[in-house]
Amino acid sequence: NAGVTQTPKFRVLKTGQSMTLLCAQDMNHEYMYWYRQDPGMGLRLIHYSVGEGTTAKGEVPDGYNVSRLKKQNFLLGLESAAPSQTSVYFCASSPNRALYGYTFGSGTRLTVV
Amino acid sequence: DQQVKQNSPSLSVQEGRISILNCDYTNSMFDYFLWYKKYPAEGPTFLISISSIKDKNEDGRFTVFLNKSAKHLSLHIVPSQPGDSAVYFCAASQEAGNNRKLIWGLGTSLAVNP
Repeated sequence: NAGVTQTPKFRVLKTGQSMTLLCAQDMNHEYMYWYRQDPGMGLRLIHYSVGEGTTAKGEVPDGYNVSRLKKQNFLLGLESAAPSQTSVYFCASSPNRALYGYTFGSGTRLTVV
Repeated sequence: DQQVKQNSPSLSVQEGRISILNCDYTNSMFDYFLWYKKYPAEGPTFLISISSIKDKNEDGRFTVFLNKSAKHLSLHIVPSQPGDSAVYFCAASQEAGNNRKLIWGLGTSLAVNP
């Protein structure tokens, strides 16, 4: 019953450092998403994927890159972290075009100092 | 400008009473609406949804009402239980190429007091 697993759960980065957030799902879902949640703002879509080998930009893609080399994994990369990227990051997956809701991971709290 | 608004950041109700959470939207192209529930340190979980062709959908203690002319939806929880204490997000969806766009509200924090 793993569902969607995000690693790490917490991370502190220095400005300019790079890191990769990993999202893994075991439900054979086609669609995967990366969101960020900030105070005073709703969940905002960073990037998404509609299947293995595909990626697309969401609302706030700048400063992030993604890869979906395997169907079950969706990686979010920060090449040069900035304080504005301090946020809680959520990964989600869905079997189809989101009509029936997403399954979310428990989040990664990232602080960039 | 927010397309999905949850104007009440917080709500407190007594156990056993009704909880009513409200959500307003501005975009008439939204054709599907969802409610998610979120506990601290967890991701949101899907609760209930409604298509724009309906005005009501019920699932156990949870009922969502949609008023298209007012661009308003509400989530009713009856009876409220302490375990319902969480943040509730309203989300609205519309077609967007090969995906569906999902716009989220800021959430309403519900506290159900024993």
